[in-house]
Amino acid sequence: NAGVTQTPKFRILKIGQSMTLQCTQDMNHNYMYWYRQDPGMGLKLIYYSVGAGITDKGEVPNGYNVSRSTTEDFPLRLELAAPSQTSVYFCASSYAALGRETQYFGPGTRLLVL
Amino acid sequence: QKEVEQNSGPLSVPEGAIASLNCTYSDRGSQSFFWYRQYSGKSPELIMFIYSNGDKEDGRFTAQLNKASQYVSLLIRDSQPSDSATYLCASKVGANNLFFGTGTRLTVIP
Repeated sequence: NAGVTQTPKFRILKIGQSMTLQCTQDMNHNYMYWYRQDPGMGLKLIYYSVGAGITDKGEVPNGYNVSRSTTEDFPLRLELAAPSQTSVYFCASSYAALGRETQYFGPGTRLLVL
Repeated sequence: QKEVEQNSGPLSVPEGAIASLNCTYSDRGSQSFFWYRQYSGKSPELIMFIYSNGDKEDGRFTAQLNKASQYVSLLIRDSQPSDSATYLCASKVGANNLFFGTGTRLTVIP
């Protein structure tokens, strides 16, 4: 099992550009999450999904969109990149709700918006 | 505001000592609490979670929860240099929303 994989590892965007951060898990997990982590800070939940076709907002959803067409994939879309979106983005998955199952994190995508 | 607060450290302890990491939370609706370890440049990994008042032990780690005082702590016994990392405390509100603290950086000195 590869676990949770994320691409790209690093990306530089210009203000106003768009991009999609990819996340794939091969553990047949129902729950998937997107977090951002600013330097020296904790993680903040952007969006999560409890299964294919179901997504919901987290703490900081503005400026982002997600979709969940399959169990395996949970891409995060940035439509109009802003410097405030410079961060490290982590995707995570779990089989069941948090507290009953461990949450597994991907290696992260480092995004710099200039 | 569902705040989780941690002392950012750094906290330095000698090898073999007990490291004590503390966390307070503001939302009394928080249901359970998680401790993650994050090495520099890496992703977080779950150490343990706790949802009942009292202590929960797992190997060298003990999590303590006091809901009346709204604090959670993590004790690491027999600290090793490999324990040097940032420790993130998180509280769960609702089914899937985790609120993280900013983390405490721990250094274990050989």
